[in-house]
Amino acid sequence: AQRVTQPEKLLSVFKGAPVELKCNYSYSGSPELFWYVQYSRQRLQLLLRHISRESIKGFTADLNKGETSFHLKKPFAQEEDSAMYYCALFTNAGGTSYGKLTFGQGTILTVHP
Amino acid sequence: ETGVTQSPTHLIKTRGQQVTLRCSSQSGHNTVSWYQQALGQGPQFIFQYYREEENGRGNFPPRFSGLQFPNYSSELNVNALELDDSALYLCASSVREFTYNEQFFGPGTRLTVL
Repeated sequence: AQRVTQPEKLLSVFKGAPVELKCNYSYSGSPELFWYVQYSRQRLQLLLRHISRESIKGFTADLNKGETSFHLKKPFAQEEDSAMYYCALFTNAGGTSYGKLTFGQGTILTVHP
Repeated sequence: ETGVTQSPTHLIKTRGQQVTLRCSSQSGHNTVSWYQQALGQGPQFIFQYYREEENGRGNFPPRFSGLQFPNYSSELNVNALELDDSALYLCASSVREFTYNEQFFGPGTRLTVL
């Protein structure tokens, strides 16, 4: 069975400091990973996906299959980055069968001024 | 383009009652997934609907059921409510045929069971 682990429930940094939110996964197939973010009083929204290899709002995440990790990084944190971050693994049963997201427990990031 | 909407926003029920939650998918999206998010936890997959049929289910008992309508909107029904059913229920829509498996989430319905 698939599993996503985010070891830190809370992460606190100062503005301008680097930040890394950890995510480890367990899955026997080829993983498709996402980071979702939820800002205060807003809905859950996609931040980035590994398949796109993109940088969104200064965040990047690299899939490391050897370490089964997909850590989220930003070199210089901003106050507006304060939010709840979820790492999620998409698994598909194949063909037109369903695909679901398995989420980690989330990490609350607080960026202090 | 209209995003995913859910109703009601909040709901309070008592143990043993039944509840129906509603979701309107984003325009053009044909797949709806439901998730349960207990306090302090990440969302957990309940089931998914595609072409008006249940197309996958997580580890939830049969008293959790759903429907999808021709306009792709969906309902989640929970019978014989238990205290542990208290949670935020999220609906997410997507397009099955897209390469990127991105799901777009609604704001959620907060269910409290007393």
